[in-house]
Amino acid sequence: QVQLQESGPGLVKPSGTLSLTCAVFGASLNNTNWWIWVRQAPGMGLEWIGQIYHRGSTNYNPSLKSRVTISLNKSRNEFSLNLNSVTAADSAVYYCARGEYYDLLIGFSYHFDVWGRGTLVTVSS
Amino acid sequence: QSVLTQPPSVSAAPGQRVTISCSGSSSNIGSNFVAWYQHFPGTAPKLLIYDDDKRPSGIPDRFSGSKSGTSATLGITGLQTGDEADYYCGTWDNSLSGGGVFGGGTKVTVL
Repeated sequence: QVQLQESGPGLVKPSGTLSLTCAVFGASLNNTNWWIWVRQAPGMGLEWIGQIYHRGSTNYNPSLKSRVTISLNKSRNEFSLNLNSVTAADSAVYYCARGEYYDLLIGFSYHFDVWGRGTLVTVSS
Repeated sequence: QSVLTQPPSVSAAPGQRVTISCSGSSSNIGSNFVAWYQHFPGTAPKLLIYDDDKRPSGIPDRFSGSKSGTSATLGITGLQTGDEADYYCGTWDNSLSGGGVFGGGTKVTVL
């Protein structure tokens, strides 16, 4: 059974960098999956942050692209999220997920079949 | 403002059927497959439907998905109190400003 577990500081100062790690259990980052970060601000819906493929290629939310980096650590079977220049608007529950993303010729199949439980990050001084 | 549009809430009595709509555009729902997620606050979201109408193993057939044009629908029959949760649609957006996109979420209330 595949499990994902987020970890990282629960409090980050404004203008600082939010850094989170997602540990993957029961699956290898070398699998042909995409590894995803999603967040949910208080009272809001889900927001896609970005993704990384096992070969290292990435896609980011255009609204966050200038501030976000997603990376792999295959030796630890983890992937990470770095979001810099944070403000209170970046306070949210952050989820990692495993994604399936493939071309069925009549459109892309894109869905997340395994999720972590999420970790709350608050941006405050 | 979410890229995909869902009603904020729907409600029905136990045993009844509810449907949740998800409206998008030609660059997302109109071009790609739709997934649906069930989310109980404080827990990990769960994949309910993928590729418009497919259920992962373990998801009961009370949950169904369909799509027409640039809109998708999640149906829940035989509504149970345990179905009271937030439901999100999601897909890929092909536009230059695209990527993964979600709806704003729909709260299902069992009366």
